[in-house]
Amino acid sequence: NAGVTQTPKFQVLKTGQSMTLQCAQDMNHEYMSWYRQDPGMGLRLIHYSVGAGITDQGEVPNGYNVSRSTTEDFPLRLLSAAPSQTSVYFCASSYSLAGGRETQYFGPGTRLLVL
Amino acid sequence: QQQVKQSPQSLIVQKGGISIINCAYENTAFDYFPWYQQFPGKGPALLIAIRPDVSEKKEGRFTISFNKSAKQFSLHIMDSQPGDSATYFCAAPSFNQGGKLIFGQGTELSVKP
Repeated sequence: NAGVTQTPKFQVLKTGQSMTLQCAQDMNHEYMSWYRQDPGMGLRLIHYSVGAGITDQGEVPNGYNVSRSTTEDFPLRLLSAAPSQTSVYFCASSYSLAGGRETQYFGPGTRLLVL
Repeated sequence: QQQVKQSPQSLIVQKGGISIINCAYENTAFDYFPWYQQFPGKGPALLIAIRPDVSEKKEGRFTISFNKSAKQFSLHIMDSQPGDSATYFCAAPSFNQGGKLIFGQGTELSVKP
């Protein structure tokens, strides 16, 4: 199994541009989520999904959209990039939400720089 | 917004020493406290986790201690090695968000040879 894969690994955007960060998992996990990691801030939840067709907002959802049309894929869209969205983005998946007790498997991350 | 407070933010330990990282949490719906380890350029990965039926869990050189009354838990790394140099995150299930994990701010550990 490839686990959780993310593309691209690194991206530079100009302010106002849009882009989609791709995330896929091959473990048949129901729960998928997006985090951003910033120095001193830990991992903050952006959006999450408990199954195909079901998404919800996390702690820092503004400026981001998600959709979940299949179990495998969970793309994150930046509608109009801002310098404050410069960060490292991680996608994660787990078998279920289960009150947070399931192991979350993280992808390798996407480094985004917004100029 | 529920928080998990982690300290210290950074830690330097000599090889063979003990590394200690502490976390404090607010109310949780479930007593389950994992620690994730992240090497530079990689995604976090589960290191060790504790459930409420025990106050301590040990796996090799890694031990979690849990104090429910104080709402605190800690990670101890015995005989720290340079290969342990990484960022460590504690986490706790949220109280009012279906148990989604809330992560601490992270501790950057550097073990000097």
